[in-house]
Amino acid sequence: EADIYQTPRYLVIGTGKKITLECSQTMGHDKMYWYQQDPGMELHLIHYSYGVNSTEKGDLSSESTVSRIRTEHFPLTLESARPSHTSQYLCASSEEGGKTDEQYFGPGTRLTVT
Amino acid sequence: KNQVEQSPQSLIILEGKNCTLQCNYTVSPFSNLRWYKQDTGRGPVSLTIMTFSENTKSNGRYTATLDADTKQSSLHITASQLSDSASYICVVSDRGSTLGRLYFGRGTQLTVWP
Repeated sequence: EADIYQTPRYLVIGTGKKITLECSQTMGHDKMYWYQQDPGMELHLIHYSYGVNSTEKGDLSSESTVSRIRTEHFPLTLESARPSHTSQYLCASSEEGGKTDEQYFGPGTRLTVT
Repeated sequence: KNQVEQSPQSLIILEGKNCTLQCNYTVSPFSNLRWYKQDTGRGPVSLTIMTFSENTKSNGRYTATLDADTKQSSLHITASQLSDSASYICVVSDRGSTLGRLYFGRGTQLTVWP
């Protein structure tokens, strides 16, 4: 089982609130990722990081922001939540230079914005 | 356009029966193909990873095949169990970028009935 953790697991919040989704991994992986997944749909990459102080936007445009101050920590922040942000958010990590670049996923955060 | 298509979209089988899930892809240049199992409300967990030179790989009751010429893969589940009920996601990685971009299918939702 992968050592990657996400909190909270479920979050229901009102429109306009600021939220931070936490993601931590204890595997020492340099690469970390945030995906967004709607029910029955494929995962979409919204942010990724190659290492400390490195952050990039993914393929799916997102109003969220991320930071990578420590190797093990990759939080995602929404400054003002909206109902359109309702989704499942999955964090993943992989080892730099790994043969297959296998990504290990956290359990996800189910976000509902009312 | 790089795409991953999975079929069927959903499948119901009786416990103890076998089943085969299909994945067709157009991703190029190809690096590897992975099958993930995603339980409801959880993050995906890797079942198998196959590179270009591998055409079959097993993980317990799960056997994946890859035909890189026709760009097709299958996941065969033997003697299904109730705990096999989940979404099975086909993911193809390219090496066209440093990131090793992943392309996700929408998954096949498998339900195993007693």
